Amino acid sequence: DGGITQSPKYLFRKEGQNVTLSCEQNLNHDAMYWYRQDPGQGLRLIYYSQIVNDFQKGDIAEGYSVSREKKESFPLTVTSAQKNPTAFYLCASSIDLGVRTEAFFGQGTRLTVV
Amino acid sequence: SQKIEQNSEALNIQEGKTATLTCNYTNYSPAYLQWYRQDPGRGPVFLLLIRENEKEKRKERLKVTFDTTLKQSLFHITASQPADSATYLCALDMFRQAGTALIFGKGTTLSVSS
Repeated sequence: DGGITQSPKYLFRKEGQNVTLSCEQNLNHDAMYWYRQDPGQGLRLIYYSQIVNDFQKGDIAEGYSVSREKKESFPLTVTSAQKNPTAFYLCASSIDLGVRTEAFFGQGTRLTVV
Repeated sequence: SQKIEQNSEALNIQEGKTATLTCNYTNYSPAYLQWYRQDPGRGPVFLLLIRENEKEKRKERLKVTFDTTLKQSLFHITASQPADSATYLCALDMFRQAGTALIFGKGTTLSVSS
């Protein structure tokens, strides 16, 4: 069953900790994205990647880091430099950044700072 | 900078009526525009994509129009049902340093009452 999987569904972080959110897809898509969603807000782009070992900053990349070592995986690390990390994080993929088709989203990870 | 606005945060209608949602954008000429549905606590799900040279697109009870002169898209749900209650997001592809990425509006939350 093809799709995009995010884990964990809920994540709690202590002040000053780094945490990593997992995103895996088996759709053979080249492009992958990370978005952040706050209550009553749209999705804001954090990072995106078109191919393995390459990624670009989105609109709100400060305090986040990513890697793209494998085509199917695009983990997001929320670092201690991110001052307000509590949010709903969504990972997405699409066939290719240059071919406009729909994006497929995971079910999201809700991160809470405790 | 590019901006996407969805006309209202919330829209309440009676079952059986047509819901019309608006998406306006500025400072950009996208080649494509997409509409997604998002249920609470879940990732968005793709509904329709319309290209700049298409005036209208239909899928079952859904219809999207795209007016590049007005820089506006309208999203219609005919014969609305309580199950259509959700948040609807419009998204544009915006050219970035490496390819394009989907940029989202804040969404309109539709409530259909029986």
